[in-house]
Amino acid sequence: NAGVTQTPKFQVLKTGQSMTLQCAQDMNHEYMSWYRQDPGMGLRLIHYSVGAGITDQGEVPNGYNVSRSTTEDFPLRLLSAAPSQTSVYFCASSYPSSGRNEQFFGPGTRLTVL
Amino acid sequence: GNSVTQMEGPVTLSEEAFLTINCTYTATGYPSLFWYVQYPGEGLQLLLKATKADDKGSNKGFEATYRKETTSFHLEKGSVQVSDSAVYFCALSDAGGTSYGKLTFGQGTILTVHP
Repeated sequence: NAGVTQTPKFQVLKTGQSMTLQCAQDMNHEYMSWYRQDPGMGLRLIHYSVGAGITDQGEVPNGYNVSRSTTEDFPLRLLSAAPSQTSVYFCASSYPSSGRNEQFFGPGTRLTVL
Repeated sequence: GNSVTQMEGPVTLSEEAFLTINCTYTATGYPSLFWYVQYPGEGLQLLLKATKADDKGSNKGFEATYRKETTSFHLEKGSVQVSDSAVYFCALSDAGGTSYGKLTFGQGTILTVHP
């Protein structure tokens, strides 16, 4: 049981490039989400999904797209990277319908946009 | 909407000192409350949780009690160690309606423990 995995761990992009951050979980969790963590600002929710085929925007969705074609995978796409997207990105999953709302986090992806 | 407020940091303590990190919340329903810990270079890990009023969560010597009357969930440890140096996040989950599954986080408190 690997839990929540994220790839890559580190990435450097140039302004305007696109890329996809991968997230997968093997716990059959229905709920998955993406956060960004910036100094002094805690974690901010980007997008989330309550199940395969269902996604919705969080607090800071601009510049990011997501899709959820399977229960296991929840990739985050940066369409045209900007320096303001330099951050650490965390994926998380949970199983709220079980009554256990705690989220399990991946190890993070550190992204730098030049 | 829901919100979580943590005490301002950073917090610097000597080993074996007593730790308190304050956390208060605002929520529309009856939330579950969590403390997460983030060690340097890692993701967040669940430290403890409480799901109803007067519940006490505990783990690794840390404790927090769900106080509905004061809307608080303060984190305490009687004797900190250098290995407790990390960032601590208070969070709540309000499972009703459009908040289903979402966590609302505080801004985090950096704890540094010196030998």
